[in-house]
Amino acid sequence: DIQMTQSPTSLSASVGDSVTIICRASQDIRSFLAWYQQKPGKAPESLIYAASLLQTGVPSRFSGGGSGTDFTLTISSLQPEDFATYFCQQYHSFPLTFGGGTTVEI
Amino acid sequence: EVQLVQSGAEVRKPGTTVKISCKVSGHTFSDRYIHWVQQAPGEGLQWMGRVDPKTGETMYAEKFQGRLNITADGSTETTYMELSSLGPQDTAVYFCGRGHNNWFAPWGQGTQVTVSS
Repeated sequence: DIQMTQSPTSLSASVGDSVTIICRASQDIRSFLAWYQQKPGKAPESLIYAASLLQTGVPSRFSGGGSGTDFTLTISSLQPEDFATYFCQQYHSFPLTFGGGTTVEI
Repeated sequence: EVQLVQSGAEVRKPGTTVKISCKVSGHTFSDRYIHWVQQAPGEGLQWMGRVDPKTGETMYAEKFQGRLNITADGSTETTYMELSSLGPQDTAVYFCGRGHNNWFAPWGQGTQVTVSS
């Protein structure tokens, strides 16, 4: 199975800050990577697919990058509604696997 | 707008079976795989399996092989996730998700399953 490792596990930030979350795959997954946002008690929501493509309706302050084994999710100018947990997911091969999550908190 | 609406919370005793539904609306039911994901407390997200609503073909994660059954009913545009031989480790929130090349959007709202004697 492909292991997905996210860092940091959590981070503290303020409104207006720019933050970057890292996701590392245990083997080459090319660009088969998605990012999700999850708020407490809610389902995850899709942010980015194919490592860098923004899902429809997602604000442009979210951006994704990377390929191979190393990926990033950057949120520029954090807004109050961005405080949440973020997960990466590889879909290069089965079983599909997720990172452990990064909580962005105030 | 595509929506996935799941059935409500369930409580089961150890050793029993739970069956959760996920009704799809707003798109052609047979067009996309439906996946199921488990989120246990402190365990993150775990992919369980998927079903092709057009053919009924399934694929399961090895962890759940043998006690997971995912089905699709085209007449009601609903998929079902049935997990048997429940144990305390199956206490979790279960999500369905519409597949796009094996990433997911949108997701159902989630169904809490509690396994307790």
